[in-house]
Amino acid sequence: DAGVIQSPRHEVTEMGQEVTLRCKPISGHDYLFWYRQTMMRGLELLIYFNNNVPIDDSGMPEDRFSAKMPNASFSTLKIQPSEPRDSAVYFCASKLGWPDINTEAFFGQGTRLTVV
Amino acid sequence: DQQVKQNSPSLSVQEGRISILNCDYTNSMFDYFLWYKKYPAEGPTFLISISSIKDKNEDGRFTVFLNKSAKHLSLHIVPSQPGDSAVYFCAASASRGGSQGNLIFGKGTKLSVKP
Repeated sequence: DAGVIQSPRHEVTEMGQEVTLRCKPISGHDYLFWYRQTMMRGLELLIYFNNNVPIDDSGMPEDRFSAKMPNASFSTLKIQPSEPRDSAVYFCASKLGWPDINTEAFFGQGTRLTVV
Repeated sequence: DQQVKQNSPSLSVQEGRISILNCDYTNSMFDYFLWYKKYPAEGPTFLISISSIKDKNEDGRFTVFLNKSAKHLSLHIVPSQPGDSAVYFCAASASRGGSQGNLIFGKGTKLSVKP
């Protein structure tokens, strides 16, 4: 398996524009996580899904952020409108939660977002 | 409010010596703990984990210790090597409760191993 695949690797956009980050989890994994990495907050959990259903989105900073998982092999994180303070590295991760829910997650290489 | 805390932003050690990275947690529902390693411009990679039913897990040069009563865990690297220089993240997960299966990370500790 190619691992967790994120696109794009880098995104530069102007303030106010819509940004969509994409993630393809490892095939067969039933959990998918979205994280944001900043110097101040470290690796911050934004939202996670189990079997395509959002379980906890309490980490989503504002209504400008939304995430979807239309099927087991694809997820998006959208920011609309984007602001300079959204600049960060966004990571997607996936894991297999059965038969044992306590397993490690595998990360993609991240998307570096810069909002100017 | 941070549920997983890594209070040391950085640590510097000499090659060959022991590196000890610390982590504290607040949520008593956490029953699985992990350490990840991250190099610049890459995603975090899994290093070692421990279940709450154990107090120690060892894998080569890496050992994780868990003190449930203190809600504290630590990662020991012996001997430290220059290639170990990276940011280390502590993470915790709960197998029960409303957020079962989650994975909460600390802010990370940057380890520098000097030759």
